[in-house]
Amino acid sequence: EVQLVQSGAEVKKPGESLKISCKVSGYRFSTYWIGWVRQLPGKGLEWMGIINPDNSDTRYGPSFQGQVTISADKSINTTYLQWSSLVASDTAMYYCATKQHLIRLPFDYWGQGALVTVSS
Amino acid sequence: IQVTQSPSSLSASVGDKVTITCRASQNIDSHLNWYQQKLGYAPKLLIYTASTLQSGVPSRFSGSGSGTDFTLTISGLRPEDFATYYCQESYGTPQTFGQGTKLEIK
Repeated sequence: EVQLVQSGAEVKKPGESLKISCKVSGYRFSTYWIGWVRQLPGKGLEWMGIINPDNSDTRYGPSFQGQVTISADKSINTTYLQWSSLVASDTAMYYCATKQHLIRLPFDYWGQGALVTVSS
Repeated sequence: IQVTQSPSSLSASVGDKVTITCRASQNIDSHLNWYQQKLGYAPKLLIYTASTLQSGVPSRFSGSGSGTDFTLTISGLRPEDFATYYCQESYGTPQTFGQGTKLEIK
């Protein structure tokens, strides 16, 4: 059974840093991509970026380039999404999702989501 | 690539047939996917490469189109189908989502 298990909900203050994680297990493809998707409260889905844990090839959406860092540790099948200085508008649900080795394929499995709240 | 999804909301009854459309700003061949999201849950893949049904998805869901114009059709709505639906292009990067269509019970 494929599982993407994300780290728990976070409450942070503006200016703080944060790193959330997504651990993949049971995925039948040895090579895959992991993506991150943001959902602002009551809003739609936004594609943040993806990483290939095998070679660290990383692509960012234009709204997120320079705002977040996506990284991966292939040895523990875990991918990370990191902020160096949070702002209130980062308050959202963040989902990770897998994609098979071909980048044009869809996100086939999703994590449960991690709610990040940034408030003073 | 911009993706325009319509309508933004839709009211229908159990048993109805509904269609949601998605238009890409340039040719994306068949690299268009559809997801269903229920309130409080992660999205779920329904259809990929425009018309391929993901394993386990009921056959009342179907997709069509290529190039720039695509449709998701649900034939014979069931109560569990009332949710929000998103299209997503996966032709290049970024891989933009549509704005979503909220399907509500009439």
